Amino acid sequence: AQSVTQLDSHVSVSEGTPVLLRCNYSSSYSPSLFWYVQHPNKGLQLLLKYTSAATLVKGINGFEAEFKKSETSFHLTKPSAHMSDAAEYFCVVSHSSASKIIFGSGTRLSIRP
Amino acid sequence: EAQVTQNPRYLITVTGKKLTVTCSQNMNHEYMSWYRQDPGLGLRQIYYSMNVEVTDKGDVPEGYKVSRKEKRNFPLILESPSPNQTSLYFCASSFPQGHEQYFGPGTRLTVT
Repeated sequence: AQSVTQLDSHVSVSEGTPVLLRCNYSSSYSPSLFWYVQHPNKGLQLLLKYTSAATLVKGINGFEAEFKKSETSFHLTKPSAHMSDAAEYFCVVSHSSASKIIFGSGTRLSIRP
Repeated sequence: EAQVTQNPRYLITVTGKKLTVTCSQNMNHEYMSWYRQDPGLGLRQIYYSMNVEVTDKGDVPEGYKVSRKEKRNFPLILESPSPNQTSLYFCASSFPQGHEQYFGPGTRLTVT
């Protein structure tokens, strides 16, 4: 069975400081992992994805994530937060042999000036 | 332009009045899915379809129906809506599992 846990429901950082959004997953198969971002009153946009190639994945807007199989984690990071990063972020797990797609409950990122 | 469209974008209805939310994609994707988004719960999958005439239940299918008669369309049907189905609904499509999903703009449904 697949599951995904986002460890923080809300993260607040100051502009210019690093961002860390944590995600742990459980999967019976080798998973595909995604991070999506949802800005207020908007749809969802793909930030980055891991599909069994390089374990360090670079995405849009300076975000990256590292797949750590031993820790079953796929944390999202960014070296320097920008005000425009304020949004809700979702970690997602799926697999080609499993039909369902599982979303985490989301992490709301706030940026302090 | 590659996109997923949903209609209507906003809908207020009353308990028990059947409604359909349409979803259409122009990317020739095999996989389509419906989600509902509720505060603190993220997105939960309602139904998905691996291809034409192939549909299956997600995590929260109760009170919903779907059909996939054509590859591009995947309507969501609420036969007898209830207030607990008040939510924000997203349709998404992709190539087979493991690929990026493309999301529609969302449909905000209120059932009174």
